[in-house]
Amino acid sequence: EVQLVQSGAEVKKPGESLKISCQGSGYTFTSYWIGWVRQMPGKGLEWMGMIYPGDSDIRYSPSFQGQVTMSADKSISTAYLQWTSLRASDSAMYYCVFRASGRYFFDYWGQGTLVTVSS
Amino acid sequence: SYVLTQPPSVSVAPGQTARITCGGNNIGSRNVHWYQHKAGQAPVLVVHDDIARPSGIPERLSGSNSGNTATLTISRVEAGDEADYYCQVWDSSSVPFFGGGTKLTV
Repeated sequence: EVQLVQSGAEVKKPGESLKISCQGSGYTFTSYWIGWVRQMPGKGLEWMGMIYPGDSDIRYSPSFQGQVTMSADKSISTAYLQWTSLRASDSAMYYCVFRASGRYFFDYWGQGTLVTVSS
Repeated sequence: SYVLTQPPSVSVAPGQTARITCGGNNIGSRNVHWYQHKAGQAPVLVVHDDIARPSGIPERLSGSNSGNTATLTISRVEAGDEADYYCQVWDSSSVPFFGGGTKLTV
């Protein structure tokens, strides 16, 4: 069974860097897209982008291009979402999602990583 | 970008039928997917490709899509159905879009 396990909650200060992770199991990690979805407090779901670990093809949502960096380490079946300089507005829950080839929906979700940015 | 419009809230009594709509320009020509998001949990796919239910999703949940409106229908609503529901489509530019979400109160 496909499982996505995300790293734990983070509390950071504005200007700090952060890298959160999403480890996939139960499938061939390099053959499926991993996406990231943001949910700000009290708000809805927002698509951030996705990465294909097989060749590191990355598709960013225009809203998040240049704001975050997605990457993956095939050797440990883990995808990452990274910030170089956090802002308070980055405070949110972040979910990684699994996208099967030829499918345009997300049938597996990570448990979420809560990021809090506060001085 | 493609705009999906959902009502912010829907309220229904237990045992009744809830209908959650998702409006979009000619959305009937697209495949619509629905997620249930309960507080403190990750979202769960409940309907994909307009009408298909993943394994384990009860038949009480069903989808339809025509014209400018897609609908998630929950029959015989239970207290456990209380959640936020999101519709989602894939844009022609290969970007997925989510509706704003509907809070179902039972």
